[in-house]
Amino acid sequence: KAGVTQTPRYLIKTRGQQVTLSCSPISGHRSVSWYQQTPGQGLQFLFEYFSETQRNKGNFPGRFSGRQFSNSRSEMNVSTLELGDSALYLCASSFFPLAGGNDEQYFGPGTRLTVT
Amino acid sequence: AQSVSQHNHHVILSEAASLELGCNYSYGGTVNLFWYVQYPGQHLQLLLKYFSGDPLVKGIKGFEAEFIKSKFSFNLRKPSVQWSDTAEYFCAVTRRSGNTPLVFGKGTRLSVIA
Repeated sequence: KAGVTQTPRYLIKTRGQQVTLSCSPISGHRSVSWYQQTPGQGLQFLFEYFSETQRNKGNFPGRFSGRQFSNSRSEMNVSTLELGDSALYLCASSFFPLAGGNDEQYFGPGTRLTVT
Repeated sequence: AQSVSQHNHHVILSEAASLELGCNYSYGGTVNLFWYVQYPGQHLQLLLKYFSGDPLVKGIKGFEAEFIKSKFSFNLRKPSVQWSDTAEYFCAVTRRSGNTPLVFGKGTRLSVIA
């Protein structure tokens, strides 16, 4: 079956702009999580959506937001971009929610965001 | 706060050497444990996972990991590494109950030289 897909793969934005990233989970998966990966901080959890509801949110400012649609596809939005937002943004999907579910996550290739 | 520590930032080994990468987590309770690998230019993929049962788990490509509850550890091992094992390895933990996200360690970069 097809894996997790993310669009776009690469993005260059300038400070102050906003950006929307998209993630399509594996067919049948209802949980989608987003992570920010940087060389200094590693992988940091942004948020998780399950059946269109945000189940958990990481320690990121309110400029980072997300949503999930009825077909389980998810988007994340970053407003008022800062230079420090440059990172690889990873999406992962699973059938069950992360916590409490004995399940594993499948990761997409990521969107490389560069803020200039 | 929950945390996951990977002791080695960068490990360099010769082919056929044995590998052990350390992973410790900071919180108690019942946990699910994972090792993920990220090969150069590729996306994260699961190496192995532990949910319950035998604390010695075997994964893909000859990797295994041992869960030692008393030490809050989940170390990754491979008896004989190959050049193709060059990658970044991430340990991740989530609590089985409650509503906690998956917490990753900062990763260990493994370079295997011929």
